[in-house]
Amino acid sequence: KNEVEQSPQNLTAQEGEFITINCSYSVGISALHWLQQHPGGGIVSLFMLSSGKKKHGRLIATINIQEKHSSLHITASHPRDSAVYICAVPSNTGNQFYFGTGTSLTVIP
Amino acid sequence: DAGVIQSPRHEVTEMGQEVTLRCKPISGHNSLFWYRQTMMRGLELLIYFNNNVPIDDSGMPEDRFSAKMPNASFSTLKIQPSEPRDSAVYFCASSLQGALITEAFFGQGTRLTVV
Repeated sequence: KNEVEQSPQNLTAQEGEFITINCSYSVGISALHWLQQHPGGGIVSLFMLSSGKKKHGRLIATINIQEKHSSLHITASHPRDSAVYICAVPSNTGNQFYFGTGTSLTVIP
Repeated sequence: DAGVIQSPRHEVTEMGQEVTLRCKPISGHNSLFWYRQTMMRGLELLIYFNNNVPIDDSGMPEDRFSAKMPNASFSTLKIQPSEPRDSAVYFCASSLQGALITEAFFGQGTRLTVV
């Protein structure tokens, strides 16, 4: 049983395209996290959100608590956005995060 | 703050050898997580410390794995003896307080290869 489901698993886009990555979860949560991992690199936290919408530059994250769904959008995508994007939610105890399997994004110039 | 610092970044060792991975959390953070990442299984929790005390070690695969946090600024993950199936990227993360309401910050990871 996966507490967190992401889609799509792989995504290829042309530079400039608008990108959406989806995350659904089955546990009750206090906050949801979007993470970014470049090939061979570390994991960087992009957003932590518990309601509504957050925006950092070209990245927008939204969450619908009732529907247990979150989306990560990238506007005007660029090759440097190529990375794996991971959705994570805390366990009920707060002892760990449950991670989605990740979405591997490739943006082609 | 320099963020979560892990060492070494890469480790190649022979089967049967002891391996020690190190982590320095962000100053002031009282929660520390060790995760293992593989292609097959993604990110899996190994152990969670709160205020230097192991709270959840249910993810530690077997007795070959052990973790310590002797003080608030240092943690180790030891594998003895190492096996090829331990090859993975090991991440350390820290947060102000658990995972419920605070953001976690990850280190760069240690890529372990056991040959």
